[in-house]
Amino acid sequence: EAGVTQSPTHLIKTRGQQATLRCSPISGHTSVYWYQQALGLGLQFLLWYDEGEERNRGNFPPRFSGRQFPNYSSELNVNALELEDSALYLCASSLLMGTDTQYFGPGTRLTVL
Amino acid sequence: ELKVEQNPLFLSMQEGKNYTIYCNYSTTSDRLYWYRQDPGKSLESLFVLLSNGAVKQEGRLMASLDTKARLSTLHITAAVHDLSATYFCAVDAAAQKLVFGQGTRLTINP
Repeated sequence: EAGVTQSPTHLIKTRGQQATLRCSPISGHTSVYWYQQALGLGLQFLLWYDEGEERNRGNFPPRFSGRQFPNYSSELNVNALELEDSALYLCASSLLMGTDTQYFGPGTRLTVL
Repeated sequence: ELKVEQNPLFLSMQEGKNYTIYCNYSTTSDRLYWYRQDPGKSLESLFVLLSNGAVKQEGRLMASLDTKARLSTLHITAAVHDLSATYFCAVDAAAQKLVFGQGTRLTINP
């Protein structure tokens, strides 16, 4: 069974640009989560989507947004990139809302120059 | 606001020794997870602990949960080099938001 997949693996942008990160959950999983792992800040929860709806949001500014598509894949968009947005962005998925372990993808390394 | 603290943050040990990583959290939660992360890689799920007194074991790793003390431990028995990694505990803060500890970087020397 294929795991959570993310693309691209690496993304280099300049300050002020927009970045789009993509995630495909494990087959059958309906919930998708986004986390940021920045150097010195640890792993921080960004967003949770289930059945196409945003269910929860972490303490991040509105320029971090996303969506979930009917096939349960998800996009994370980061607008007006800042240097401190450089981080590993991890996507996770789970089988049932609120009850199951989150399984993580390999991540997208975003570098903002 | 839920806070999760791990200790130690860095641990260097010799093969064959035993050691314990501690995870304290500040508010009540139904679920606690342990993950492993190798350098440059993603998180691998190790254990999920769902109730007070829960104990899970896989190979040389054993995790336990004391919800009254708000404490989980990850015990490593007779460590081997392959267990070198960063270990995270994460607590479900409700609405599926996981709050992670800082991580414990474990290095096992031959």
